[in-house]
Amino acid sequence: AQKITQTQPGMFVQEKEAVTLDCTYDTSDPSYGLFWYKQPSSGEMIFLIYQGSYDQQNATEGRYSLNFQKARKSANLVISASQLGDSAMYFCAMRYNFGNEKLTFGTGTRLTIIP
Amino acid sequence: GAVVSQHPSWVICKSGTSVKIECRSLDFQATTMFWYRQFPKQSLMLMATSNEGSKATYEQGVEKDKFLINHASLTLSTLTVTSAHPEDSSFYICSARGGGQGQYFGPGTRLTVL
Repeated sequence: AQKITQTQPGMFVQEKEAVTLDCTYDTSDPSYGLFWYKQPSSGEMIFLIYQGSYDQQNATEGRYSLNFQKARKSANLVISASQLGDSAMYFCAMRYNFGNEKLTFGTGTRLTIIP
Repeated sequence: GAVVSQHPSWVICKSGTSVKIECRSLDFQATTMFWYRQFPKQSLMLMATSNEGSKATYEQGVEKDKFLINHASLTLSTLTVTSAHPEDSSFYICSARGGGQGQYFGPGTRLTVL
């Protein structure tokens, strides 16, 4: 069974600093995808970044990058030059790439950017 | 692209009534949609997988007779909470797979049962 672990319930970071949000996963399936979502107080889930298990390069999307270490089964999200608007809940999720495409979520990390 | 909408965004109802929530993929077709439930300060829990033209697949512990799912077209799935009770109050959110690898969520529906 899939399991996603986010060990940081909350983080406080100074504005303009980089921040790393941790995510580890457990699966025996060789083909899977890893996602990061941002959930502001409004509740919507905003898709940030995706990493496929067979992707050779770490995914990047603007200020977001995913530090994918397959052997360690970790998929940490790195946000560069943090902004006040980055304050939100962040969820890591995993999906098997075959069969049912449902996502399994971690417990989330609440990120607060301090001015 | 890959926009998912939900309606209504919030609803307050009396105990015992039924509430229908719509999830639409606006610019893509989705043979599969997913319904999640989120309690305050908790993560998303998958309730069911909605399959176009066939029965939904429910996760263990989710009552299929209480949470009716219909996926009548490639762009619309509905979740009906039947005979709602206060313990059904929650944030309900749907998702669908868009183009490529992305999986996109609707804005969510906040249900309050009095």
